[in-house]
Amino acid sequence: KNQVEQSPQSLIILEGKNCTLQCNYTVSPFSNLRWYKQDTGRGPVSLTIMTFSENTKSNGRYTATLDADTKQSSLHITASQLSDSASYICVVSAIQISNFGNEKLTFGTGTRLTIIP
Amino acid sequence: DTEVTQTPKHLVMGMTNKKSLKCEQHMGHRAMYWYKQKAKKPPELMFVYSYEKLSINESVPSRFSPECPNSSLLNLHLHALQPEDSALYLCASSQQPSGSTGELFFGEGSRLTVL
Repeated sequence: KNQVEQSPQSLIILEGKNCTLQCNYTVSPFSNLRWYKQDTGRGPVSLTIMTFSENTKSNGRYTATLDADTKQSSLHITASQLSDSASYICVVSAIQISNFGNEKLTFGTGTRLTIIP
Repeated sequence: DTEVTQTPKHLVMGMTNKKSLKCEQHMGHRAMYWYKQKAKKPPELMFVYSYEKLSINESVPSRFSPECPNSSLLNLHLHALQPEDSALYLCASSQQPSGSTGELFFGEGSRLTVL
């Protein structure tokens, strides 16, 4: 069964500090891994998409890593800002061979990040 | 700002009402999606439209009826809902219905409350 587990469930850090969020998955066959940021009551916004061959990808202060061998990903946030307070969702895509190669996305339950001044 | 527009942002309805949620995108995407998200939970896929045809229905109750009038519009018709259907309903689109690295663009969501 495809699963995506994220840790920690919630995290509180001081403004200006760095943090790292974790994502472990058991999705197969792997296609890509995505990180989304979701503000409360709003739609998710894509931060990064990483394919099998990509180990690191950055988007401003966000840096995602992917280890396809251990099936782990992390999202590192540098110099956190109050606006970084949100839920961060890891989503892993599998190719469904039996469904014309369509993707099937498995969502993690997210990490709730709170930045305090 | 998201390029997927959802209306209304908030909707309150009774269990006997009929209402609709609307979603619009003008990015030329050929796949559109409805997700349901309960508080503190990840989005759950409800329906997928590929090239304006329903391609995936994740065993959603018939009180939810999707409609794709054209490649830019996606509706979700609601009838005889239950209080447990209260949730954030998210619309999303992607450039192509299949293949890898199809980035999903989400709308802001419609917050539905069923009384």
